[in-house]
Amino acid sequence: SAVISQKPSRDICQRGTSLTIQCQVDSQVTMMFWYRQQPGQSLTLIATANQGSEATYESGFVIDKFPISRPNLTFSTLTVSNMSPEDSSIYLCSVASSGTLQGYTFGSGTRLTVV
Amino acid sequence: QKEVEQDPGPLSVPEGAIVSLNCTYSNSAFQYFMWYRQYSRKGPELLMYTYSSGNKEDGRFTAQVDKSSKYISLFIRDSQPSDSATYLCAMGSSASKIIFGSGTRLSIRP
Repeated sequence: SAVISQKPSRDICQRGTSLTIQCQVDSQVTMMFWYRQQPGQSLTLIATANQGSEATYESGFVIDKFPISRPNLTFSTLTVSNMSPEDSSIYLCSVASSGTLQGYTFGSGTRLTVV
Repeated sequence: QKEVEQDPGPLSVPEGAIVSLNCTYSNSAFQYFMWYRQYSRKGPELLMYTYSSGNKEDGRFTAQVDKSSKYISLFIRDSQPSDSATYLCAMGSSASKIIFGSGTRLSIRP
């Protein structure tokens, strides 16, 4: 399965600032996914990053708050903009394994604390 | 009602015990069922994948899907302290969009 490198692994940020999270995959993948995992809650899909087109956002998430880039088939970034303490969470990138029928591989996550 | 319900635990069992983890769901269109294991400060790791109904076994792990009851289970035999983690069920009607349970925290006592 694919190997994902995600960074930073953690950060503490001031409210009102922005943080960009990077996700690098060791193989070319069609779709990359960004999730948020809040303490004690399930993973929530933020958006699907497609190479060469705009990301597809899930209900409750907007591009102005979570802009995504996907410049090629192995790399994506998620920016958390104008942060507030409510954005404190773990952010994870994920790719589908071999045509998605075999589940998903996740990065190790970015633990974000907004103060 | 959530589409996927999972008891958050925590669940604590002695080493060597059989562990049963469960999820229920409401969407009868779900066909793809997965179990992930997540260690502290790590991303989820795929453990088991099942399409449609039935059982699947992989070493000490057995996944069961009962679509008539909308109920899935993960059994861990001969549990080890290294099995201590959070276990998340995940499922979907489309292979490209899955929904996760909230996870069950499992602790295996030596």
